[in-house]
Amino acid sequence: QKEVEQNSGPLSVPEGAIASLNCTYSDRVSQSFFWYRQYSGKSPELIMSIYSNGDKEDGRFTAQLNKASQYVSLLIRDSQPSDSATYLCADYNAGNMLTFGGGTRLMVKP
Amino acid sequence: DAGVIQSPRHEVTEMGQEVTLRCKPISGHNSLFWYRQTMMRGLELLIYFNNNVPIDDSGMPEDRFSAKMPNASFSTLKIQPSEPRDSAVYFCASSFGGDNQPQHFGDGTRLSIL
Repeated sequence: QKEVEQNSGPLSVPEGAIASLNCTYSDRVSQSFFWYRQYSGKSPELIMSIYSNGDKEDGRFTAQLNKASQYVSLLIRDSQPSDSATYLCADYNAGNMLTFGGGTRLMVKP
Repeated sequence: DAGVIQSPRHEVTEMGQEVTLRCKPISGHNSLFWYRQTMMRGLELLIYFNNNVPIDDSGMPEDRFSAKMPNASFSTLKIQPSEPRDSAVYFCASSFGGDNQPQHFGDGTRLSIL
């Protein structure tokens, strides 16, 4: 069974610090990876996608992909209390379906 | 641009009743997905349509659940009869077809079966 694993947290960081969220996946043929942010009581919102090994930056967010290690991460620089949410990692399998991890709850403390 | 539109936002009904959840995907998207989210099981894919055709329904929990997509702009998820264990948030998502295309989620329907 193809799986995406995340530490459930909570991950607590002080305001202004870098938050590092990690994800591993089991399907070696996965090519596309996504990070979604979900505020409590809200729907998942796409924040980053990454398809190639290396880093991809978008504002305060950087996604990192290492296909050899089957590892994806999301770095949030200058964390703000408004970043407090659950972050879901997902990958696409060959059947055009996303497999989601269980999510990591991030708490940014003022 | 309008996102994925789901209705109702909240549904409270008694066990045994029929429940119908509705979804309008983003215009131009040809893939539609129904998910269920609970604290215990996280986000689970129930069924996936491509070009209005069901492609994978292996996540549908049992025969009480059914889904249809009569046209490109409308889909329903029906539970009949409903049970308390069906209580969850149900999300609809849509995307352009293809492995690299992200899915965009609706606001969800919070379903409570008493």
